[in-house]
Amino acid sequence: KAGVTQTPRYLIKTRGQQVTLSCSPISGHRSVSWYQQTPGQGLQFLFEYFSETQRNKGNFPGRFSGRQFSNSRSEMNVSTLELGDSALYLCASSSERSTDTQYFGPGTRLTVL
Amino acid sequence: GIQVEQSPPDLILQEGANSTLRCNFSDSVNNLQWFHQNPWGQLINLFYIPSGTKQNGRLSATTVATERYSLLYISSSQTTDSGVYFCAVALSGGSYIPTFGRGTSLIVHP
Repeated sequence: KAGVTQTPRYLIKTRGQQVTLSCSPISGHRSVSWYQQTPGQGLQFLFEYFSETQRNKGNFPGRFSGRQFSNSRSEMNVSTLELGDSALYLCASSSERSTDTQYFGPGTRLTVL
Repeated sequence: GIQVEQSPPDLILQEGANSTLRCNFSDSVNNLQWFHQNPWGQLINLFYIPSGTKQNGRLSATTVATERYSLLYISSSQTTDSGVYFCAVALSGGSYIPTFGRGTSLIVHP
């Protein structure tokens, strides 16, 4: 099976812009989770989608949003970018439950100037 | 929110050595996982272990939920074990919202 893919791998944006990141899960996986990793805050959970519905949500402002399509592919959007949004954004897919093994993509490195 | 502390923050070993990484958490959890992030940033799920002991090759993990800690054992370490090890926990009851520790950075020298 192909692994989790994320596009783009690298992205440079300026403050105030918005960005959309994409994640394609492993075939057959229905759960997709998103994480933010920064040197200052470490790894933080953004949200999880399952069957096109947001199932769990971390403590991030409303500028961070996501969605999942019927083929389980997921996108996350960050509006009105701030310098502090510079981070590695990781996507993970799993079969169904939070206890299932999560498989991570390589991440998207976002730099906000 | 729940606090997760990992120790030691940094660890340097010679190939072949054994090590123990610790994860302490401040509240009752029903979900605890260990992850490894290699030097190139790839994150791998090692164990789901809310309680008890599991083993996978040279790695094993033990969680004592009543005492709020988990241990990850690495035996006969190899250079490919280098990277950062994270534990993540989620509170009992309701939604799965994991909180990660800051990680233990491991360097294994040949």
